[in-house]
Amino acid sequence: SQQGEEDPQALSIQEGENATMNCSYKTSINNLQWYRQNSGRGLVHLILIRSNEREKHSGRLRVTLDTSKKSSSLLITASRAADTASYFCAPYYGNNRLAFGKGNQVVVIP
Amino acid sequence: DVKVTQSSRYLVKRTGEKVFLECVQDMDHENMFWYRQDPGLGLRLIYFSYDVKMKEKGDIPEGYSVSREKKERFSLILESASTNQTSMYLCATNSIGQGYNEQFFGPGTRLTVL
Repeated sequence: SQQGEEDPQALSIQEGENATMNCSYKTSINNLQWYRQNSGRGLVHLILIRSNEREKHSGRLRVTLDTSKKSSSLLITASRAADTASYFCAPYYGNNRLAFGKGNQVVVIP
Repeated sequence: DVKVTQSSRYLVKRTGEKVFLECVQDMDHENMFWYRQDPGLGLRLIYFSYDVKMKEKGDIPEGYSVSREKKERFSLILESASTNQTSMYLCATNSIGQGYNEQFFGPGTRLTVL
């Protein structure tokens, strides 16, 4: 399977702490995307990083991409209770479809 | 803002029934997708469509068919529903201008087959 694989699969942190999750993938990508899903809802796109980019920021989110290691990380700084959600990475290999991982459950404790 | 709507939020059907799930988008996107989401398995692609009347199988097409007669509408059909098709079904769309862009998701349909 060429799915992205998130690590850790579950993370519990205190409000105000930073949360970091990693994603590994199998072969060369065109871009890699991160999504968030709040309980029982549809996914929401967070950030897209292209294969020629190494780091990207969006508000409290920071994404890095290391194509030599075929991995990406998502950092959420100063976490809030509202950040409690599942986070998915989705590599794009150029075949008109995203390869979603199984997701990473993050719980932020107030 | 892109709006992706799905015909039902919750649906309960009986084994053997024909089930239609409909997805409508308002942004003229070329691509539309149907996923199912099950605990521990993440999102799995059932079918996608890159143009009107065009479709491609995803990872788990067995037991499903799709229809795209108009650009804004993509239907998922369960010809004869079975209990193992109880799941959350998610529709998504995206455009392919200037590279492959983010997907926009509908709110999901939680289907229970009894």
